[in-house]
Amino acid sequence: DAGVIQSPRHEVTEMGQEVTLRCKPISGHDYLFWYRQTMMRGLELLIYFNNNVPIDDSGMPEDRFSAKMPNASFSTLKIQPSEPRDSAVYFCASSLAPGQGMTDTQYFGPGTRLTVL
Amino acid sequence: AQKVTQAQTEISVVEKEDVTLDCVYETRDTTYYLFWYKQPPSGELVFLIRRNSFDEQNEISGRYSWNFQKSTSSFNFTITASQVVDSAVYFCALSEFTDYKLSFGAGTTVTVRA
Repeated sequence: DAGVIQSPRHEVTEMGQEVTLRCKPISGHDYLFWYRQTMMRGLELLIYFNNNVPIDDSGMPEDRFSAKMPNASFSTLKIQPSEPRDSAVYFCASSLAPGQGMTDTQYFGPGTRLTVL
Repeated sequence: AQKVTQAQTEISVVEKEDVTLDCVYETRDTTYYLFWYKQPPSGELVFLIRRNSFDEQNEISGRYSWNFQKSTSSFNFTITASQVVDSAVYFCALSEFTDYKLSFGAGTTVTVRA
């Protein structure tokens, strides 16, 4: 079974440009999470979806960030306009519903390393 | 409020030594889940182990073992007979039944020297 797939793996852009990160969750998983990892703040949740519906977006830093999940197999995280402080590694993770034993463990994609110049 | 605390920032050992990583958590939920993830130098996050709050049985899986104690809110992780490939950042994480997101600790960098 393929794991969580993220693209691109690396992204370098200039301040003010729009950035779109993509994620394909593990087939059959109905929860999808976007996390960000920085040296200053560590790993933090940005937003998560259940059955394509956003459940908690309280971690989204500001209106420049938006996330969508148009179907069960695809999600995007968009930053517009990007700023140098957005430079980080962005992880996507997926899982089954909680309370189902080991199956609700969150499995992570390889991450997208974003650099905003 | 910090939900997961990993007091050790860095640990350096010689190959074949045992390594124990400390994790202390905070939650008001009676049902919660604890995890350890590994992040090798390549950068991906790899799931290692998981424990439910209602199961305090400690287990061993290969060279990994864990000690879950609700009384002290601790979930420590041990690597037995460490190997160079164990060099990574190890994260302890908490997921609560009422708040499904993972709260991560700051991570402990483990360096295993040959």
